[in-house]
Amino acid sequence: DAGVIQSPRHEVTEMGQEVTLRCKPISGHNSLFWYRQTMMRGLELLIYFNNNVPIDDSGMPEDRFSAKMPNASFSTLKIQPSEPRDSAVYFCASRLNSGGGGEQYFGPGTRLTVT
Amino acid sequence: DQQVKQNSPSLSVQEGRISILNCDYTNSMFDYFLWYKKYPAEGPTFLISISSIKDKNEDGRFTVFLNKSAKHLSLHIVPSQPGDSAVYFCAAAANNAGNMLTFGGGTRLMVKP
Repeated sequence: DAGVIQSPRHEVTEMGQEVTLRCKPISGHNSLFWYRQTMMRGLELLIYFNNNVPIDDSGMPEDRFSAKMPNASFSTLKIQPSEPRDSAVYFCASRLNSGGGGEQYFGPGTRLTVT
Repeated sequence: DQQVKQNSPSLSVQEGRISILNCDYTNSMFDYFLWYKKYPAEGPTFLISISSIKDKNEDGRFTVFLNKSAKHLSLHIVPSQPGDSAVYFCAAAANNAGNMLTFGGGTRLMVKP
């Protein structure tokens, strides 16, 4: 099993540019999560999907952030326009929602730097 | 308002000795707890979990203890190995489900040879 795949691994962009982060969850998993890790706030949940449907996006910081999951094998997190304070490591995770328990499996993360 | 706290940012232990990592939580609705390990440039990997109906769960060298009355959990690693050096995160969820995990800030464990 390839695990959760994220691309790109590193992204450097200028303020104001659009950034799109991509995630392929583990095949068969039906829940997908986007997290952001910063020194100040640690690891925080941004949004999660269940069966491709967004369930809770209360962690999305601003309207500049949007996430989609067009099918069970692909999700994107978009930031438009990007700002320097968006610099962080963004993780995608997936899980088999079996009704109770069950761990989330994380991808390697995308390190985003906005200059 | 941090609902899950790891008050020790770092811990140094000699190889072969026990490592004890601590975690406190404030939300009494949390009933499922997990520990993740993270190496640099990698995503967190699941280590061990415990449901609130138990007070101990063991998996090889790793044991998690849960004290519900104190809202405290701990991860014991014995014996510690240099390869255990990593950042350890505790996480908590409500309704015995793995969704909506709330993570602590992490503890960096260094195991010296």
